[in-house]
Amino acid sequence: QQQVKQSPQSLIVQKGGISIINCAYENTAFDYFPWYQQFPGKGPALLIAIRPDVSEKKEGRFTISFNKSAKQFSLHIMDSQPGDSATYFCAANRIDPSQGNLIFGKGTKLSVKP
Amino acid sequence: NAGVMQNPRHLVRRRGQEARLRCSPMKGHSHVYWYRQLPEEGLKFMVYLQKENIIDESGMPKERFSAEFPKEGPSILRIQQVVRGDSAAYFCASSPGSRRVRVTEAFFGQGTRLTVV
Repeated sequence: QQQVKQSPQSLIVQKGGISIINCAYENTAFDYFPWYQQFPGKGPALLIAIRPDVSEKKEGRFTISFNKSAKQFSLHIMDSQPGDSATYFCAANRIDPSQGNLIFGKGTKLSVKP
Repeated sequence: NAGVMQNPRHLVRRRGQEARLRCSPMKGHSHVYWYRQLPEEGLKFMVYLQKENIIDESGMPKERFSAEFPKEGPSILRIQQVVRGDSAAYFCASSPGSRRVRVTEAFFGQGTRLTVV
């Protein structure tokens, strides 16, 4: 119920290609779905986030697609660049404000080849 | 405007010793969250604190682990009698002190990498 399942575990994309990472959840109490980017030796940094009242959100080359009925959401990185090489985590947060924690997926290690 | 500051960045402890990890939240933030990250794994929630209060400790192991966020000073995550399985990266995040602004606007520190030898 509390899990967020993320795939693939690793991804290799050519420069200029599209990177797609998928996540699925079970708990319908989740109402906020962020994506984090983490470089080696650094903390996670918020990349983009979506709420279930919209099906898509775009910020620059990064787009989140959200399918509420399927309980799935995905991150698309357009025109992928070597500098995008990092580990990406999806996450989910519950409605109850006293439950402050994020539930994270296990991460996807993205490598963008020049 | 400094971000979330964690220290030390790296900590080596022998089995049985105590580890103390510190987290200074961003200026104006009064909510702190601690997460643990094992190699090749996602972040696992441990504890959520406000000043002088533990709000949610559902992710904390029942023994040897404790956390505090005093009125003055940084938040401390304390691990007593460390074992090899405690080796991990420990991340702290902070968010503003409003119930309307939850962890959705949390910022993470760079983490403390604990190695137990």
